[in-house]
Amino acid sequence: DIQMTQSPSSLSASVGDRVTITCRASQGIRNDVGWYQQKSGKAPQRLIYGASTLEDGVPSRFSGSGSGTEFILTITSLQPEDFAAYYCLQYNSYPHTFGQGTKLEIK
Amino acid sequence: QGQLVESGADVKKPGASVKISCKVTGYTFTGFSIHWVRQAPGLGLEWMGRINPKSGATNYAEKFQGRVTMTRDTSISTAYMALSGLTSDDTAVYYCSRGRDYGPNYWGQGLLVTVSS
Repeated sequence: DIQMTQSPSSLSASVGDRVTITCRASQGIRNDVGWYQQKSGKAPQRLIYGASTLEDGVPSRFSGSGSGTEFILTITSLQPEDFAAYYCLQYNSYPHTFGQGTKLEIK
Repeated sequence: QGQLVESGADVKKPGASVKISCKVTGYTFTGFSIHWVRQAPGLGLEWMGRINPKSGATNYAEKFQGRVTMTRDTSISTAYMALSGLTSDDTAVYYCSRGRDYGPNYWGQGLLVTVSS
């Protein structure tokens, strides 16, 4: 199975900050990665697929990059509604696997 | 986009089995895979498996092999996830989600299953 190692597990930041979250795959997975945001008590919402393609309606302050084994989610100019948990998911092969998650908190 | 709605028993005893339904409306049921993802309280997302509603083909995470069964009934646009041998570690919110080439995307609201004696 492909392991996705996500870091950091938690992150404190302020409104207006720029933050990055990283996922590393245990083997090459092309660009077969999605990024999800999950707010407390809600179902996850996908922000990005194909490592860098934004879902319709996702603000442009979110961006994704990477290919192969290293993937990065960047959020520029953090807004209050961005404080949530974030997960990467590889869908290159079955079983799909999520990263452990990053909890983004207000400093 | 459609809608996915989970339903099923919410409290089970250790050793029992649970079967959760995922009723789909608003899109062609056989056009997208149904993924099952769970989340234990305070923990992260865990991909359990998926079913292709058109063919019935399934893929399961190794952790659940032998304990999970995913099926579907195309006549009523409903997917099912059955999990046996429940323990307290299976207490979680269970989500169904549709997806195609890029993994799970549109999600149901989730169903909390509590395993307790």
